[in-house]
Amino acid sequence: AQTVTQSQPEMSVQEAETVTLSCTYDTSESDYYLFWYKQPPSRQMILVIRQEAYKQQNATENRFSVNFQKAAKSFSLKISDSQLGDAAMYFCAYRVNNNDMRFGAGTRLTVKP
Amino acid sequence: DTGVSQDPRHKITKRGQNVTFRCDPISEHNRLYWYRQTLGQGPEFLTYFQNEAQLEKSRLLSDRFSAERPKGSFSTLEIQRTEQGDSAMYLCASSSTGGARVKYFGPGTRLTVT
Repeated sequence: AQTVTQSQPEMSVQEAETVTLSCTYDTSESDYYLFWYKQPPSRQMILVIRQEAYKQQNATENRFSVNFQKAAKSFSLKISDSQLGDAAMYFCAYRVNNNDMRFGAGTRLTVKP
Repeated sequence: DTGVSQDPRHKITKRGQNVTFRCDPISEHNRLYWYRQTLGQGPEFLTYFQNEAQLEKSRLLSDRFSAERPKGSFSTLEIQRTEQGDSAMYLCASSSTGGARVKYFGPGTRLTVT
């Protein structure tokens, strides 16, 4: 079964500092996609960053970057120069070629001013 | 484009009643998905449509649940004879067909069954 594990239910970071959110997944597939979604309080889920498994280069989107370790089945999210608006639930997600995207349980990120 | 919209945003119903939710996807997206999210958990896949065809259903989608997308545009999710365990956030998402099929989510409908 495909599973996604986020081992940190809650994390906090000081404004302007860097934080890393962990995610591991379990799959026997070789071709798949990985995603990080952000869900602010009472607001809709939005895509932060995505990674294709066949690409060795780690994805980067402005202050957000990932550390994708395919052999270890690890996909962590690094947020640099954290801002108050980064406070949210962060979900790691995984999808193969079907449409059953699997999500982790989420990590609640608090940003301290 | 205003993104994915869902209606209503909140629904409180009594156990045993039927409820129906609506989702309007991004207009150029031909795929539409329904997810359920309970407190403290990530979304769980329920079903998806490509145009008007329902192509996949999760085992989570019991016989009391039915979804339609009659004209390949908006979709409805109906829950019959609601139970307290149905209380959750119901999320709709849409995507295009190719590539990573990035899903764009709506704000969700929060269902409370009393």
